[in-house]
Order: sequence, then structure tokens, then C-alpha cells
Amino acid sequence: GAVVSQHPSWVICKSGTSVKIECRSLDFQATTMFWYRQFPKQSLMLMATSNEGSKATYEQGVEKDKFLINHASLTLSTLTVTSAHPEDSSFYICSAATSGRTYNEQFFGPGTRLTVL
Amino acid sequence: SQQGEEDPQALSIQEGENATMNCSYKTSINNLQWYRQNSGRGLVHLILIRSNEREKHSGRLRVTLDTSKKSSSLLITASRAADTASYFCATGANSKLTFGKGITLSVRP
Repeated sequence: GAVVSQHPSWVICKSGTSVKIECRSLDFQATTMFWYRQFPKQSLMLMATSNEGSKATYEQGVEKDKFLINHASLTLSTLTVTSAHPEDSSFYICSAATSGRTYNEQFFGPGTRLTVL
Repeated sequence: SQQGEEDPQALSIQEGENATMNCSYKTSINNLQWYRQNSGRGLVHLILIRSNEREKHSGRLRVTLDTSKKSSSLLITASRAADTASYFCATGANSKLTFGKGITLSVRP
């Protein structure tokens, strides 16, 4: 149980285009989902926290208009990188927490590697 | 901002040996967790230790927490080649996890 999927697993796009990444909790309801970004050989940096049905809370330094997050249902959150540029190339990982467990126990997706040309 | 700082940054051992990884942090925490990440993949949760706990075991894993020193250690006993991965500590506070930089563990067959 507690499986989180991400789609796509990798994507290559041209500079200036937008890319949408999906994060799904497959066998549980995720009231809270988290989006992280990881550069090669570096740690995960929290970008934003999203709760179902409400606006996401972004970490300091993360542009909310560039990284659009939608958490429309208890099993799906999306991250849209708008007008992507090469510096947005990174590994994006989502995680999901079940109701009542909040952030303590997060189940992580396999990640999406974004390459912007 | 990153709170956890692991050391060493890289560790190479022979299969069967024990691996010890350390994590230090700066602020008060509710819990500390260790995760494993295989190259280019997502994270796997290994173990969580609460701030009022000092030691916890799970299979070949042993985690200690010293809140007075703001440090934690992860011990993997009888290592296997399959343990080769990056290991991250993450501190839980203020409704979010903050990850350290990670330790790259290589277990030679």
C-alpha cells in the first residue's frame, strides 16, 4: 500500500514551453502533497505544500507563477512548470501524506526528470 | 533551507561490513527520518525516530538520536551490495521535512 506515482517519468522540452507533471496517490487519499526539486548529487529542496482544495503554500524563493500547483482531488496533484528554461532542468519529486499523518510519514513518487533544451 | 548535514559525504565499504552515517541539525525538531534513494529514483522511507526517543531498530538498521547534540546516526549492519544508494536524513518540524545533503554509500561485493 501507500504507492505514489508520477507521470511522466522523464520529459524533454524546448525553452519557453510549459510542462505538466502529475502526482497520484494510487491506493490512499492524500490530503497533503509536497513537491520537491533535486539537482544532481544534491539534496531535495521543498518547493511547495499543497492541500486538497486549497491554494498551495510555496517556500521562500519559489515563484508561484512559474511553478503552478493544483491539488484538485484527494489523489491527484499537478505541477506545471510554465515557460520553462534550461535552469529549470531538474529532478522533481512529489510526496503524499495521508489524512491524520500530515508531514511525518510522506510517501514519495519515483520522480520526474525534466530537461529543458 | 537545509538543516540536516550528513557525514561522511561518501562512504565505501566491503560487503558484510557495517556502515555508519551521521547527521547533524541546527534547530528543534519533532522527529528525524532517514531515507534511501537509488540513483535517479524516488525516496524510500527507512525509519523515523521521534524527538523523545533515543534509539530505534528496524531489521539491519539502527538509528540513534541525541537531541542535546542535535545529531543522529544510522547504522546498517552486515551491509549488502544492494544497500548501495544515497542516504538522507530529514528533520520534521513546522509541518514539513527538511533534507540533508545526503551520503553516498557504496558497498563493494
